Amino acid sequence: DSGVTQTPKHLITATGQRVTLRCSPRSGDLSVYWYQQSLDQGLQFLIQYYNGEERAKGNILERFSAQQFPDLHSELNLSSLELGDSALYFCASSVGSYDNEQFFGPGTRLTVL
Amino acid sequence: DQQVKQNSPSLSVQEGRISILNCDYTNSMFDYFLWYKKYPAEGPTFLISISSIKDKNEDGRFTVFLNKSAKHLSLHIVPSQPGDSAVYFCAASTRKLIFGQGTELSVKP
Repeated sequence: DSGVTQTPKHLITATGQRVTLRCSPRSGDLSVYWYQQSLDQGLQFLIQYYNGEERAKGNILERFSAQQFPDLHSELNLSSLELGDSALYFCASSVGSYDNEQFFGPGTRLTVL
Repeated sequence: DQQVKQNSPSLSVQEGRISILNCDYTNSMFDYFLWYKKYPAEGPTFLISISSIKDKNEDGRFTVFLNKSAKHLSLHIVPSQPGDSAVYFCAASTRKLIFGQGTELSVKP
């Protein structure tokens, strides 16, 4: 158990809808990272927050947004969903403003029908 | 543009033998290289890393080798155990982690 929690575990929705994925980092960790793993793809970095502020951006679509709240939990919002957004979404956390060793949650599996 | 590539989707090895997982990269600016291990229904877990200024790092049964001129790294697991069966991701860092597609290792008793 990494200490990172993600809810929900599974999410099934329809095209055009909007969903919110939630992540609670390990106690004491200030950074939260979001990754997307599509079928046959490695993990793609989406975005990082550090202590409430956006720190780094990767291949995140404009339809996607994230935030980190004062209690350090983070939410990833996905809107106008398309079939191709079906994927595993992982959240990871670490102590510092950037760490190579990141602690991953179990992921949220999103299915868009 | 795949900056980090793992060309073998799967590898099968006998228990007790050596497992060698390979990874190639294109960007000379990466400063760290890492291996993560993933079991089904779990998130990846950090396994071992190497700085770009080194060519070898060892941790127990796991050794990572870096060949900068070839832009290639490899993970050696000796001896392999059935519990090592998992998907292994290599990753490279420039203050963001860039992951390869993963190699599924199966260690047979």
